[in-house]
Amino acid sequence: LAKTTQPISMDSYEGQEVNITCSHNNIATNDYITWYQQFPSQGPRFIIQGYKTKVTNEVASLFIPADRKSSTLSLPRVSLSDTAVYYCLVSGNTPLVFGKGTRLSVIA
Amino acid sequence: EAQVTQNPRYLITVTGKKLTVTCSQNMNHEYMSWYRQDPGLGLRQIYYSMNVEATDKGDVPEGYKVSRKEKRNFPLILESPSPNQTSLYFCASSLNTGLAGGNTQYFGPGTRLTVL
Repeated sequence: LAKTTQPISMDSYEGQEVNITCSHNNIATNDYITWYQQFPSQGPRFIIQGYKTKVTNEVASLFIPADRKSSTLSLPRVSLSDTAVYYCLVSGNTPLVFGKGTRLSVIA
Repeated sequence: EAQVTQNPRYLITVTGKKLTVTCSQNMNHEYMSWYRQDPGLGLRQIYYSMNVEATDKGDVPEGYKVSRKEKRNFPLILESPSPNQTSLYFCASSLNTGLAGGNTQYFGPGTRLTVL
């Protein structure tokens, strides 16, 4: 399983763009990168998944450079309701393993 | 509505009293998993199941049992609960783990267990 490293916590003001970077140096060829969001006392929720370059949906964008050794989750114009823990996972044909994630605090 | 359900949502019990937390999904998913979440430790996998009658240990299986007799159900059994099993438990399922996007996991609402 590819190991991931992401910051433990981040702070941001409302309305700003937030970028959370995840390192996964030993990502395998068939691995995908997936990000989840978790609010207190709730189960994690899928945000976005990608393999290479850029993926965008209604919630976020995911940027993956050509070497795929890192990825960046971009949240545009965050609001207080985006305060949560964000997990970066890398997996191909093996079960997903969650680390400790990045705790994002959005400040008014 | 596609969902993962868990019961009970809250449970307070005493040391040594056997309990079962049920998990059910209505999405015909092959893969199911149990996690526990403790402050400062993140989500840790207890057991997972790739399909019916196929279960395997995760990172913290000690003190837990599971079974997968039907595709939709994956109960978590604590034969003799102890206070260190006080935690927030999540069940999750995914279509499978072998296809792109297939390993997106859908989580249940959680079960908060307190063992006195």
